[in-house]
Amino acid sequence: GQQLNQSPQSMFIQEGEDVSMNCTSSSIFNTWLWYKQDPGEGPVLLIALYKAGELTSNGRLTAQFGITRKDSFLNISASIPSDVGIYFCAGQDTGGFKTIFGAGTRLFVKA
Amino acid sequence: DAGVTQSPTHLIKTRGQQVTLRCSPISGHKSVSWYQQVLGQGPQFIFQYYEKEERGRGNFPDRFSARQFPNYSSELNVNALLLGDSALYLCASSSTNSPLHFGNGTRLTVT
Repeated sequence: GQQLNQSPQSMFIQEGEDVSMNCTSSSIFNTWLWYKQDPGEGPVLLIALYKAGELTSNGRLTAQFGITRKDSFLNISASIPSDVGIYFCAGQDTGGFKTIFGAGTRLFVKA
Repeated sequence: DAGVTQSPTHLIKTRGQQVTLRCSPISGHKSVSWYQQVLGQGPQFIFQYYEKEERGRGNFPDRFSARQFPNYSSELNVNALLLGDSALYLCASSSTNSPLHFGNGTRLTVT
């Protein structure tokens, strides 16, 4: 079945540092999504990517849809304590009937 | 505007019992998806419903079933509960070909 490999599993960084995480798949997706989940809450959409090669920013966050349509990365610049949480990548198939999630990257930021 | 709402927020059941979880989508969204999230893992796809019809099903046993009502709300039913069914159950709604928007989930504990 479809699987997403997300790396790294966890990251421990200092406040102010930049962060990069990525996601790869054996399958092609038409849409790549990045979510953040805080404890006790559901995942919240950060960035949606719809076209191969697309580079999209949302404040300090930047994500790219890989040209092969099998990978994506998320960068966070100048990290702050509230960036702490679990970041998930997700791939959505044609028609949007199934969205598959990676296992998540756990981000810890030290002030 | 109200987001996706789920009820109850927490639930404790005994092995062998049955449970019903409820979800109300964002107004205007006709699609509802259900996910199971075990501690430390990413959300696993269970079902997607669109216009009251099942459009996608993940790799879950027949003990799991769902339905969508004319007002687009949805219920997830799990029969013959096992200890391994303990998880956070997430509901997400979406409009056509758009990203998922999640509720805060129902935490199910099976003892």
